Amino acid sequence: GAVVSQHPSRVICKSGTSVKIECRSLDFQATTMFWYRQFPKQSLMLMATSNEGSKATYEQGVEKDKFLINHASLTLSTLTVTSAHPEDSSFYICSARDPWRENTEAFFGQGTRLTVV
Amino acid sequence: AQSVAQPEDQVNVAEGNPLTVKCTYSVSGNPYLFWYVQYPNRGLQFLLKYITGDNLVKGSYGFEAEFNKSQTSFHLKKPSALVSDSALYFCAVRDLSNDYKLSFGAGTTVTVRA
Repeated sequence: GAVVSQHPSRVICKSGTSVKIECRSLDFQATTMFWYRQFPKQSLMLMATSNEGSKATYEQGVEKDKFLINHASLTLSTLTVTSAHPEDSSFYICSARDPWRENTEAFFGQGTRLTVV
Repeated sequence: AQSVAQPEDQVNVAEGNPLTVKCTYSVSGNPYLFWYVQYPNRGLQFLLKYITGDNLVKGSYGFEAEFNKSQTSFHLKKPSALVSDSALYFCAVRDLSNDYKLSFGAGTTVTVRA
């Protein structure tokens, strides 16, 4: 199946700093990628839809100025957590789907564990 | 809006016994249903999907799922569970208003004891 790579897998940062997480589709071009947030032992919450070449679409309640999304190429989307606070500590997961393959499933990155201290 | 429900937070089985993880769905129109598994601190791995065709879908690692339209269910099954199947399982449905979006169930933690 298709491969989605997420980096870093784990990051610890100080409160007030910004952290960038990368999501790459390795063997297909993804016009759309998705960013999720997951709290311990809970389901995935969709944060935003990242669209190549245009602005991201954020879900209700997600601060777009805090969670900056850039989808500059067909294989890379980045999520930047700006001015991070301890409550931003979470597991962030991206996913992408090959738009040229009909009815195919979404593929997920390995996830990034963010800890803000 | 599409949604799925996983009624059980936790399922415990002995190794070698059958494993069932329940999922029910609510959609307008034809459902596109998926099962994913997540190991600790990892992303989601695709197990299987139902788009159309046979109601019994076979997937990775010996898992299968049965689509039941009358009961609006898509339960995940494995005839003989392994300790290594212990993980968090998610049922998901594709949002037909946005071809790419997935709505996930709350997840079911499966523990297989030796």
